[in-house]
Amino acid sequence: QKEVEQNSGPLSVPEGAIASLNCTYSDRGSQSFFWYRQYSGKSPELIMSIYSNGDKEDGRFTAQLNKASQYVSLLIRDSQPSDSATYLCAVMGYSGSARQLTFGSGTQLTVLP
Amino acid sequence: GAVVSQHPSRVICKSGTSVKIECRSLDFQATTMFWYRQFPKKSLMLMATSNEGSKATYEQGVEKDKFLINHASLTLSTLTVTSAHPEDSSFYICSAADSGDTQYFGPGTRLTVL
Repeated sequence: QKEVEQNSGPLSVPEGAIASLNCTYSDRGSQSFFWYRQYSGKSPELIMSIYSNGDKEDGRFTAQLNKASQYVSLLIRDSQPSDSATYLCAVMGYSGSARQLTFGSGTQLTVLP
Repeated sequence: GAVVSQHPSRVICKSGTSVKIECRSLDFQATTMFWYRQFPKKSLMLMATSNEGSKATYEQGVEKDKFLINHASLTLSTLTVTSAHPEDSSFYICSAADSGDTQYFGPGTRLTVL
């Protein structure tokens, strides 16, 4: 059973602070990792993908991957109230020959003005 | 780029009727499409994976005769909920992937069965 674990939160940070979201996964063979943002009542929106160990930056977002520790994180710098949402960590694996994303349960982030 | 549409966005139906949901990739060819269901305050649960021109692969516990999936072209997949019951009320979301691993999600369809 492939598992993706996230702290459910809620996580509250003040506006302008750094929000840190964490995720661990069980399938050591996983190669592709994704962070999605989901606003209430909406579908997930892709924020970042990361495939190699280390950091990947895109604007205010930085994804970090450590395959040895089976850990992936997302940092949001200069957090804004509009960043308030549920953040889903997703890991790509294979079920037989089929690619499948396994989602964590999500971390609810609230950025306080 | 990478836009996925779903139709309808919201549907209310009577118990026992069937509902069809369409998922389209608008600006790319989707080798694989996925159907998810999400209950309130829960994460996404994969229902099935479909490849164009072949039968869908259903996840354990998902009734293939109740949730009919057709992937007739590289840009269109449909999910039909047959003989819907109130417990089928949920948020149904499709996603599409090209040859890579990234999945792009449609806006979702909220189904309410009375």
